[in-house]
Amino acid sequence: DGGITQSPKYLFRKEGQNVTLSCEQNLNHDAMYWYRQDPGQGLRLIYYSQIVNDFQKGDIAEGYSVSREKKESFPLTVTSAQKNPTAFYLCASSKSGPGNQPQHFGDGTRLSIL
Amino acid sequence: AQSVTQPDIHITVSEGASLELRCNYSYGATPYLFWYVQSPGQGLQLLLKYFSGDTLVQGIKGFEAEFKRSQSSFNLRKPSVHWSDAAEYFCAVAAGGGADGLTFGKGTHLIIQP
Repeated sequence: DGGITQSPKYLFRKEGQNVTLSCEQNLNHDAMYWYRQDPGQGLRLIYYSQIVNDFQKGDIAEGYSVSREKKESFPLTVTSAQKNPTAFYLCASSKSGPGNQPQHFGDGTRLSIL
Repeated sequence: AQSVTQPDIHITVSEGASLELRCNYSYGATPYLFWYVQSPGQGLQLLLKYFSGDTLVQGIKGFEAEFKRSQSSFNLRKPSVHWSDAAEYFCAVAAGGGADGLTFGKGTHLIIQP
């Protein structure tokens, strides 16, 4: 079955450490997205990519980095510059095209600070 | 910039009763609107979407939503809720055709009373 796989499901970060969250999709979607979810805050867009080797900052990109070397993969690195990284991170993908392409979500990675 | 307001943080409904979850959006052009549902610790599942045409849209699991441009609203309804409907519900709006990511409301937590 096609879908989006996020790994790991749980991740722990030490102070000053960078960690990378994995997101893989086999839906043949062009666009991929990373969102951060905090309790009572809804989802906020971190980064998105509409095509391989290109990506744009979302609303809360500071302290995060991404790459898009392959269509299927869009890893997110939470750097030590992100001072409050504890959150639930969701990856999504969609077909490209004007407006009528809903996003499909993975099951998320929960990141905590040790 | 676009925004979404879900006025109700929590809603409690008896099993078998009808449900309406409110969503108001702010966006200058014709919006693309979505409702998603999230079970604890999981990703988001698309319930329904509105792009154009008929203002009453049908979704999965017996949900429907009505787009009212004059009220900038996109309320979600279900005639009879089941205990399995207990979850977090998010309304979202897409700008720029959706390729630039979604803007989410803060969510409504639905509690079902037996």
